[in-house]
Amino acid sequence: EVQLVESGGGLVQPGGSLRLSCAASGFTFSSYWMSWVRQAPGKGLEWVANIKQDGSKKYYVDSVKGRFTISRDNAKTSLYLQMNSLRAEDTAVYYCARDLYEAFDSWGQGTMVTVSS
Amino acid sequence: SYELTQPPSVSVSPGQTARITCSGDALPKQYAYWYQQKPGQAPVLVIYKDSERPSGIPERFSGSSSGTTVTLTISGVQAEDEADYYCQSADSINTYVFGTGTKVTVL
Repeated sequence: EVQLVESGGGLVQPGGSLRLSCAASGFTFSSYWMSWVRQAPGKGLEWVANIKQDGSKKYYVDSVKGRFTISRDNAKTSLYLQMNSLRAEDTAVYYCARDLYEAFDSWGQGTMVTVSS
Repeated sequence: SYELTQPPSVSVSPGQTARITCSGDALPKQYAYWYQQKPGQAPVLVIYKDSERPSGIPERFSGSSSGTTVTLTISGVQAEDEADYYCQSADSINTYVFGTGTKVTVL
């Protein structure tokens, strides 16, 4: 059974940093693209970033380019999202998702990030 | 990136058919995908590549495509189908976009 478990969320001040982690199990992690998707409170879904199987390609939504960095450790079957220069509008539940290079077939339960002073 | 537009809400009586549309200029060139999200839960993929159904998804869920509009149809709606539904597609530069979301209410 595919399992994705996010961690690392919390309360951070504007301009601060946070690193999210996603522990994957139940599938061959190194064979899949992986993505982060977020959802602001009461709002819709927004794709944030994705990363190729070997980490050689990474893509971001325009609003986080230059502030967020996606990475992975295939030996630890883990996905990460380093978030810097956080803004109030980054407040959201962040989901880790297995990326089929066009869609997302498995999701974690999410971790909440709140950016507020 | 482009936008995918959905109606904010759809209401349907149990046993009836719900149709949720999603419109976007790139849909004739890209596959569409549909997700169901219940309150406090992660999304679940219910339709992929316009009309394919993942294993474990009930047959009452179906998808279709015509030009710049894709449609998710729920036939014989059940109370458990009450949820938010999102369409999603890929744009031309390896990024993804979600639709605005539709809340389905079972009366």
